[in-house]
Amino acid sequence: DVQVTQSPSSLSASVGDRVTITCRARQSISTYLNWYQQKPGKAPNLLIYAASTLQSGVPSRFSGSGSGTDFTLTISSLQPEDFATYYCQQSYNTPFTFGQGTKLEIK
Amino acid sequence: QVQLQQSGPRLVKPSQTLSLTCAISGDSVSRNSAAWNWIRQSPSRGLEWLGRTYYRSKWYNDYAVSVKSRITINPDTSKNQFSLQLNSVTPEDTAVYYCAREGSGSVLFWGQGTLVTVSS
Repeated sequence: DVQVTQSPSSLSASVGDRVTITCRARQSISTYLNWYQQKPGKAPNLLIYAASTLQSGVPSRFSGSGSGTDFTLTISSLQPEDFATYYCQQSYNTPFTFGQGTKLEIK
Repeated sequence: QVQLQQSGPRLVKPSQTLSLTCAISGDSVSRNSAAWNWIRQSPSRGLEWLGRTYYRSKWYNDYAVSVKSRITINPDTSKNQFSLQLNSVTPEDTAVYYCAREGSGSVLFWGQGTLVTVSS
């Protein structure tokens, strides 16, 4: 299995802040990396696929970068609706694996 | 717009079989570019991919090693749905179960989630 590790596990920030979440794969996965946002009681919502492609309808303040083993999700200016939990997921091969999540909280 | 509607029991006794169905609207279970997945989420295990079924001139399945001996995912083309069966459940299988449509590895469409509790 390709293990993916996210950091940090939690993060406190304020509206308007720039935030970066990191995901590291144990082996090279090219750009087979996706990012999701999840709010309580809801299914995850796809934000970015193939490491850097913004899913249609997702605000442009979200961006993704990286390839190989190191990836980042950046939110350029936090909005109130962005406080949620974020997950990375590798799709290089099955079993697909998810990071443990980063809970983004209001400071 | 693709919609996935899950159904099935929310309480299962230990050692019995967990069965869930995912009805698809707005798409076809036989679509060549999609795969139909089951994913679960629990506080102890996080998001855990369980397996998928997909059609590429014939039907294929992939399963997670952790459940491979206990899991079956089947398509039902007559009803345009797919199902999950997980045998010999234990309390560790208690989780929110999601069905999901995957395309090229990313999941854009999810079911509403079903909290399944394994308890006597």
